[in-house]
Amino acid sequence: GAVVSQHPSRVICKSGTSVKIECRSLDFQATTMFWYRQFPKKSLMLMATSNEGSKATYEQGVEKDKFLINHASLTLSTLTVTSAHPEDSSFYICSARADSYGYTFGSGTRLTVV
Amino acid sequence: SQKIEQNSEALNIQEGKTATLTCNYTNYSPAYLQWYRQDPGRGPVFLLLIRENEKEKRKERLKVTFDTTLKQSLFHITASQPADSATYLCALPGYSTLTFGKGTMLLVSP
Repeated sequence: GAVVSQHPSRVICKSGTSVKIECRSLDFQATTMFWYRQFPKKSLMLMATSNEGSKATYEQGVEKDKFLINHASLTLSTLTVTSAHPEDSSFYICSARADSYGYTFGSGTRLTVV
Repeated sequence: SQKIEQNSEALNIQEGKTATLTCNYTNYSPAYLQWYRQDPGRGPVFLLLIRENEKEKRKERLKVTFDTTLKQSLFHITASQPADSATYLCALPGYSTLTFGKGTMLLVSP
């Protein structure tokens, strides 16, 4: 089946530094990938839609200059949290659409900013 | 605005019993509805999809119903096992991707 690989699974960084999270579709091509953020005991919140070869589409309230998304190939999208602060600490999850209905999710990245 | 509601309280049941989780939605007319399982610190894993013209769908010990009049889906796990303990999310198609409910945590005790 369709597999999405997300790395790293956990990252701790210092306040003010940047962190890059990778999302790869391993056995299918994904022209569109999605980035979510999840707080404890809360639902997944869509942050942005990543489109291969074009700019990402951000949801309302998401700072595009803080959360940089690059989708340079059909199998790789990256999310860079720039100048991270403790309030950016969260669980970030990517997903890709493998077929007409199926969405496959990465295993998530736990970001802790200290 | 569109809303998806799932039982916010955890559901505790004994091994062997049937677990029933509820997903209600408003301001939607979805063509389909999906259920996912999420374990702590992991991404959601797809379980079942049910289309608007389907009343019921089964997969092994899982059963999903979809009542478009009531705007409700029920998710059943029969003969539950401790390994079924997780958070279960329902999801509906949004503008570009899925919109998720908050999920219901299921705890199955031995």
